[in-house]
Order: sequence, then C-alpha cells, then structure tokens
Amino acid sequence: QSALTQPASVSGSPGQSITISCTGTRSDVGGYNYVSWYQQHPGKAPKLMIYDVSNRPSGVSNRFSGSKSGNTASLTISGLQAEDEADYYCSSYTTSSTRVFGGGTKLTVL
Amino acid sequence: QVQLQESGPGLVKPSETLSLTCTVSGGSISDYYWTWIRQPPGKGLEWIGYIYDSGNTNYNPSLTSRVTMSVDTSKKQFSLRLSSVTAADTAVYYCARDSPMTDAFDIWGQGTMVTVYS
Repeated sequence: QSALTQPASVSGSPGQSITISCTGTRSDVGGYNYVSWYQQHPGKAPKLMIYDVSNRPSGVSNRFSGSKSGNTASLTISGLQAEDEADYYCSSYTTSSTRVFGGGTKLTVL
Repeated sequence: QVQLQESGPGLVKPSETLSLTCTVSGGSISDYYWTWIRQPPGKGLEWIGYIYDSGNTNYNPSLTSRVTMSVDTSKKQFSLRLSSVTAADTAVYYCARDSPMTDAFDIWGQGTMVTVYS
C-alpha cells in the first residue's frame, strides 16, 4: 500500500486560515469516509484531531475542520495560533481493511 | 481515562527479534483494534497492524512476513514481535487504540524508541 500524499510544508500567519490536503485513491480516501487527522508536536505522541472525515473529538477546537472531495481529503485550520505549529498526518481505511498514513505536513506559524 | 504504556528493550541487534508490549489501563481491552504504529527518526508514521481482542490480526503488507501480534486479555496487554530486524526498523514504536466508534486512533501510548545496532 502506498502512503497518502500530503504537502511537505505549509505556513500561515496568526489569525489566517490554512488547508492541508491528503490525496489517495479510490481504494482508500475515495472509497470510504474513514479519514482521520493527527497533530504531532516535537517529541510527543500524535493526537487525534478529526475522524470520519469531518468529526471533531470532544475537546478539539472548532477551529479545526475536515472535508473530502473524491480522492482528496482536507484539513482546515482557521484563526491560526502559535500552538498550532506542529506536524499533521492524515490516515485512511483501505480496501484491505488496513490503514495507511500520509507522509506528514509541517505547519509553520509565521 | 484509558492510558496505554509501551514496554520493551530499547536496543536490538540486527537479525534478532524486536519484542514490545503495550499495557492498557483505565478501560476495557474488549471491542477495540489494538494497533502498533512506528515512526523512524525524522520521518512519518507507518501503520504496522492491529490485533482485535478475539485475536484476529491484520498487518501491513510490507511487514506481514516479519510481524506477529498477540493479546492477553487477562493482563490487558497486547504485544508486537518483529523478526529479522535491520537498521531500517529503528524507530519510535507507538501502541494505539483504533476505535470502531471513531474509525480512528483515539488513544496513543507515549511511544518507545527502539534502536537496531550492531
């Protein structure tokens, strides 16, 4: 199984909005609404931010939102804050009942 | 709240078998997919596989020939064995809970660094 495709890096200024894309195939992202997003700060374990494409777990800020169109899922962070600076990973269920991650995106808050 | 804790050797020699255990505390081990994920230094996350409380497993096709997972529900522990390791297996290994309610990894251990050295 091939990793999902994410941009290596994105950046934005405080208060702005950014979007991170996650592109797969019909065998993963495009075939199921089981896309999730994770935030990882340096030296820490990843944290679930979005599940089932667009749902937020309890305690996650509503500045984080998710969507999907075709084979591409997206994570949008609005009202950027300094603490949002981190690595972000998408993950999807696949036709083999396995899971696959994206390569990760480094978000820099300018 | 549910917590996961990985344990096992931090150093493994090439060609030997890496063995890690994850202990579940504060909640049930039933009805979840217990997962291993790894992250080589400076790189992204890689899904290794999962084991259900019944013992059913599913592994990453790229690792399936070397991976074995097991579960001990009485101890609330699940384990990973990765055979014939090489330097490419050096990584932080995380255990995580894959919940049918979220279809996502909602609980993670803190991770444990495993280095393959000669």
